[in-house]
Amino acid sequence: GQQVMQIPQYQHVQEGEDFTTYCNSSTTLSNIQWYKQRPGGHPVFLIQLVKSGEVKKQKRLTFQFGEAKKNSSLHITATQTTDVGTYFCAGLKTSYDKVIFGPGTSLSVIP
Amino acid sequence: NAGVTQTPKFQVLKTGQSMTLQCAQDMNHEYMSWYRQDPGMGLRLIHYSVGAGITDQGEVPNGYNVSRSTTEDFPLRLLSAAPSQTSVYFCASSTPGSPYEQYFGPGTRLTVT
Repeated sequence: GQQVMQIPQYQHVQEGEDFTTYCNSSTTLSNIQWYKQRPGGHPVFLIQLVKSGEVKKQKRLTFQFGEAKKNSSLHITATQTTDVGTYFCAGLKTSYDKVIFGPGTSLSVIP
Repeated sequence: NAGVTQTPKFQVLKTGQSMTLQCAQDMNHEYMSWYRQDPGMGLRLIHYSVGAGITDQGEVPNGYNVSRSTTEDFPLRLLSAAPSQTSVYFCASSTPGSPYEQYFGPGTRLTVT
């Protein structure tokens, strides 16, 4: 079945350092989504990528979708303590298909 | 709009008991899903529905039943609770297409002893 993997599992950074998490799917995806979950909270949608090679930015966050539509990355520039949480990618094979989440990358930011 | 609501917030069950986790949304979303979240495992899809009357299995459906009689409600039934079902359960809803933003409920923390 479809599998979505993420690395690293954990990342500890000093405030102001950059952070990147990588997402890989065993199958080609129609789109990929990214979510953030704060400790004790529920996942919150960040962005969706649809096109091969797509790059989107949200302030300090940069999202990329690979050319083969099987991998993606999230890069945070100059991390802040408000970035703390777990970042999940989630992939779909088609728009009406099941959404499969990766295991997430937990980010800690040391002030 | 209340968004996605889940009840109860916390529940303790004994092994073998059954119960229903409630999920409702007031956004007229077609797509609804149930996930369980365990430490280090991320969010695993239990069941999902693309519309009223239509349900399908996700990654970990065993031990759980769902039905979708209305657009608004998507209850999850535990038939005979087991300690392995101790987890945090999230319900989510969205309208398929682009964007495909899933809105999550606050979760139900279930402990099976």
